Amino acid sequence: NAGVTQTPKFQVLKTGQSMTLQCAQDMNHEYMSWYRQDPGMGLRLIHYSVGAGITDQGEVPNGYNVSRSTTEDFPLRLLSAAPSQTSVYFCASSLPGRTEAFFGQGTRLTVV
Amino acid sequence: SQQGEEDPQALSIQEGENATMNCSYKTSINNLQWYRQNSGRGLVHLILIRSNEREKHSGRLRVTLDTSKKSSSLLITASRAADTASYFCATARPSAAGNKLTFGGGTRVLVKP
Repeated sequence: NAGVTQTPKFQVLKTGQSMTLQCAQDMNHEYMSWYRQDPGMGLRLIHYSVGAGITDQGEVPNGYNVSRSTTEDFPLRLLSAAPSQTSVYFCASSLPGRTEAFFGQGTRLTVV
Repeated sequence: SQQGEEDPQALSIQEGENATMNCSYKTSINNLQWYRQNSGRGLVHLILIRSNEREKHSGRLRVTLDTSKKSSSLLITASRAADTASYFCATARPSAAGNKLTFGGGTRVLVKP
């Protein structure tokens, strides 16, 4: 069972570069989310999606874009990387009905 | 802003002892969940307690919820070295679309053999 798969696991970017963090799930979950985790801050919601073609902003959306063309995939795009975006990024998926979330292993991003 | 605040921030215990950590939140919730995160890994769901429940058990885990005080506690009994991890509470609001979760800052637990 693959669950939620994130790629890459590690990435170093230069300020101003753009990149896409990939997230795929094979559980046919309608809901998918992106969080960032910073030391001592817990996880904060960046963007989320309730189904293919539907996305919305979370708590800290600035500097990030998302799209959801399929149920399985929910990529996160950094438009112009900034050092403040250095963080660990987690993708999660769940079924409707406020059930448990399944998390990927994370992408550790460093912006220099 | 974070919905949940966890206490203590860090906890060090001997193997076999119980570990208790607390979570407070600010607004009404649909449910509260606890997750574990091992170093460098993703979060793993441990237990979910709904707003109309007061206590729930799962193996060595016991969770309580007091909605009048907007607080929850997680008890790990007979701890093992493998329980060393960070533990996070997360709340889901009644009106939140997409199962959005709001996380606390976590409690780092070290279980010494």
